[in-house]
Amino acid sequence: DAGVIQSPRHEVTEMGQEVTLRCKPISGHNSLFWYRQTMMRGLELLIYFNNNVPIDDSGMPEDRFSAKMPNASFSTLKIQPSEPRDSAVYFCASRPGQGIYNEQFFGPGTRLTVL
Amino acid sequence: ILNVEQSPQSLHVQEGDSTNFTCSFPSSNFYALHWYRWETAKSPEALFVMTLNGDEKKKGRISATLNTKEGYSYLYIKGSQPEDSATYLCALLNSGTYKYIFGTGTRLKVLA
Repeated sequence: DAGVIQSPRHEVTEMGQEVTLRCKPISGHNSLFWYRQTMMRGLELLIYFNNNVPIDDSGMPEDRFSAKMPNASFSTLKIQPSEPRDSAVYFCASRPGQGIYNEQFFGPGTRLTVL
Repeated sequence: ILNVEQSPQSLHVQEGDSTNFTCSFPSSNFYALHWYRWETAKSPEALFVMTLNGDEKKKGRISATLNTKEGYSYLYIKGSQPEDSATYLCALLNSGTYKYIFGTGTRLKVLA
């Protein structure tokens, strides 16, 4: 398996533009997580899905952020409109079910810079 | 809210030295504790999953212990090598919410 795939790997955009980050989880994994990593706050959970259903989005910073998982093999995180303070590395991770011993597998991340 | 603290924030050790760092938490209200190794410009990789008080896990020169009664987990590295340089993260899988709560990590630099 290729692991968790994220695209793009790097994104530079201007303030006010829409940004869409993409994630393909590992085949067979039914939990998917979106994280944001910043120097100030470390790794923060934004939202997670179980069986394509959003379970907890309490970490989504504000209405400008939205996430979808239309099927088991694809998820998007959208920021509209983007702001400079959204600059961070965004990680997607997947997990094979909710068993407590199951590990999360992280993608390579998308480094977002909003100018 | 379950708070996860890691210490020290960073440390430098000489090649060959053994070292350890701590993940502490105020409550045992979690399903599992995970340790991750995170190299610069890469993504976190799982090292260990522990659930029970007294758990000990070992992988090569790296081992970890869990003490839920006193609220800490230790990660040990024996005979550190430059390739061990990374940030070591611990995360708790919160009971009820199934959310991971991450510590801010310990940045280890092993000097050759």
